[in-house]
Amino acid sequence: AQTVTQSQPEMSVQEAETVTLSCTYDTSESNYYLFWYKQPPSRQMILVIRQEAYKQQNATENRFSVNFQKAAKSFSLKISDSQLGDTAMYFCAFCAGIQGAQKLVFGQGTRLTINP
Amino acid sequence: KAGVTQTPRYLIKTRGQQVTLSCSPISGHRSVSWYQQTPGQGLQFLFEYFSETQRNKGNFPGRFSGRQFSNSRSEMNVSTLELGDSALYLCASSARQESIQYFGAGTRLSVL
Repeated sequence: AQTVTQSQPEMSVQEAETVTLSCTYDTSESNYYLFWYKQPPSRQMILVIRQEAYKQQNATENRFSVNFQKAAKSFSLKISDSQLGDTAMYFCAFCAGIQGAQKLVFGQGTRLTINP
Repeated sequence: KAGVTQTPRYLIKTRGQQVTLSCSPISGHRSVSWYQQTPGQGLQFLFEYFSETQRNKGNFPGRFSGRQFSNSRSEMNVSTLELGDSALYLCASSARQESIQYFGAGTRLSVL
C-alpha cells in the first residue's frame, strides 16, 4: 500500500518570503505520479504542480517548483515570492501509473498562512 | 469549459436517512472519482467510475455506493447515515489517458 506523509501540520511566513513544504511517500511502484494540490477556504481543490516519476527534471510552474528525490522518496514544494493568495491547505498526493491513475492517495496536509 | 459541478453544496440529514450526491464532470471527461474529507481521516478515496463501470473502490462499507450515467454524470449514495458520515465529499473528473484529476467544490454533508 502507498502512503504519503506531510510532517508539517502548519506553517506561517511573511509575504514575499520563500517557503518549502515537505512530503515523503512510500511505494513499491516504479511508474507513478506525484502532485501538490491547494485547498483554499473556498474548499475547491486546485492542482498546483505535477511530477512524473520517470522524469528526472523537477517540475516548475511559475512561482511553484518541486524538489523530487526519487531514491529518498521525497517530494517537496517550494513557493517563491509568496503571496497572500497562497494561504491555503496544501496536500501532497500520489497515484500509481496509468491504471491506478484515478486513485489518489493524499497526505494529511499542511496549513500554510502567508502574513502581510 | 465549465468545471466539475457538485450539487448540492450543503446538506443536512439525520441518522438512518439516506442521501444522494451528484457530480457533473468536465465536458469530455469520462472518469469520475469520489473522495471523503474529514478532519480525523483526511482525504480518502471512495470509488471511481469510467464509462458507467466502477473501476476502483476504496475501503468503505457497502452503505456507500455510486453509479455513472451515459453522459458521465455520477451520483453517490449513502444509506443508513451515521454521525461519522459527516464530511466534505469531493468529486473529481479526468480524461481517459491523463492522470490529472480536476475537483469540484464539494458537498458538505452534516448528519445530526
